[in-house]
Amino acid sequence: DTEVTQTPKHLVMGMTNKKSLKCEQHMGHRAMYWYKQKAKKPPELMFVYSYEKLSINESVPSRFSPECPNSSLLNLHLHALQPEDSALYLCASSQIVGVGFYTEAFFGQGTRLTVV
Amino acid sequence: AQTVTQSQPEMSVQEAETVTLSCTYDTSESNYYLFWYKQPPSRQMILVIRQEAYKQQNATENRFSVNFQKAAKSFSLKISDSQLGDTAMYFCAFMKHGGSRIDNYGGSQGNLIFGKGTKLSVKP
Repeated sequence: DTEVTQTPKHLVMGMTNKKSLKCEQHMGHRAMYWYKQKAKKPPELMFVYSYEKLSINESVPSRFSPECPNSSLLNLHLHALQPEDSALYLCASSQIVGVGFYTEAFFGQGTRLTVV
Repeated sequence: AQTVTQSQPEMSVQEAETVTLSCTYDTSESNYYLFWYKQPPSRQMILVIRQEAYKQQNATENRFSVNFQKAAKSFSLKISDSQLGDTAMYFCAFMKHGGSRIDNYGGSQGNLIFGKGTKLSVKP
């Protein structure tokens, strides 16, 4: 099973709403990532979790709050978003084979988020 | 800091022909991976091929092969016998490999640095 599953596939939310994006993998990977991708742009890293601990936060606004409840799950909690936060949010996972040694990332299909 | 440059925003190729996508990168790291990912309209980012920097031999995966020139910091992707299903955005990506053995300070976290992408259209 080389699948990363993201839910929901599409999400429309108001600027005062609270919602969550979910990501799940069953490949035994110990690193998980959130990337943000605007239309016709490459993905940009938001957060990295290694061994369920936040290891990189790329200066993401606090209205985005990541959570890694266990080694298979990754959530992204959203609150008070702005219209410019509308984008495709991609989750990915990779294996850690040593200190600083990671394998290639496998991506989910993404959540298309629209903030109105 | 590492940068990845894809100089061809769009390319097209006839079905069954061969096309080469270009990628250059800049890094002071000696140990790293390079990847090509494709992103079709379905949005999912799919790994096409990877290359370890320490390997001189160019990677090959079926119809996909790379020309890795480490000294020139060049990493092009060749697609042979192009198929309609190859239509997608192609991203070249860099990943640092390794790090300090003591708490991994400055080491890789497996995060990818992407180029801006090349939109490939395969025409029947």
